[in-house]
Amino acid sequence: QQQVKQSPQSLIVQKGGISIINCAYENTAFDYFPWYQQFPGKGPALLIAIRPDVSEKKEGRFTISFNKSAKQFSLHIMDSQPGDSATYFCAASNYPSYGKLTFGQGTILTVHP
Amino acid sequence: DAGVTQSPTHLIKTRGQQVTLRCSPKSGHDTVSWYQQALGQGPQFIFQYYEEEERQRGNFPDRFSGHQFPNYSSELNVNALLLGDSALYLCASSLVYSPEQFFGPGTRLTVL
Repeated sequence: QQQVKQSPQSLIVQKGGISIINCAYENTAFDYFPWYQQFPGKGPALLIAIRPDVSEKKEGRFTISFNKSAKQFSLHIMDSQPGDSATYFCAASNYPSYGKLTFGQGTILTVHP
Repeated sequence: DAGVTQSPTHLIKTRGQQVTLRCSPKSGHDTVSWYQQALGQGPQFIFQYYEEEERQRGNFPDRFSGHQFPNYSSELNVNALLLGDSALYLCASSLVYSPEQFFGPGTRLTVL
């Protein structure tokens, strides 16, 4: 019940295109859904996060869409750039255990120039 | 403002040995969580420390233990190392009831 399933495992996009990564969760107690970006040899960096009381959140080129009834959420990267090439992880947690993030398996994004 | 720092960067040990990894949280943060990230996988939660006590624990054996100091820094200890303990060990810090977790660069542990 604690799993977060992420797809696809890898994604290749042309520069300027839209990258879409999807996640599904099982635990309905989760109330915080962040996305992390990780470059090789680095720790994950918080990109954007959403709470289940909103259906969409946008920050610059990054948008999270959230569907509470389907228990799914997705990350959209608009105007994808080669510098966006990295591994992306979705995650979930809930009060009062916010320190215990449950991560998806990761998506390796490659943006070709 | 320094972010989360971890030491050492890399470490090579042999099976059966013990290892200690260190973490300093982001300035102002009081809570430290540790994660294990195997190659090609998402991070797995090990445990969290707050007020110098283990607050919650993931599905890891007792060989994994930790400590938090009065200055909020933390150590992760792993005893009787196994080949399967080879991974990137990540430390994340936060305020106790804040959902935002900030990760350090990690320590790459290789067990031979």
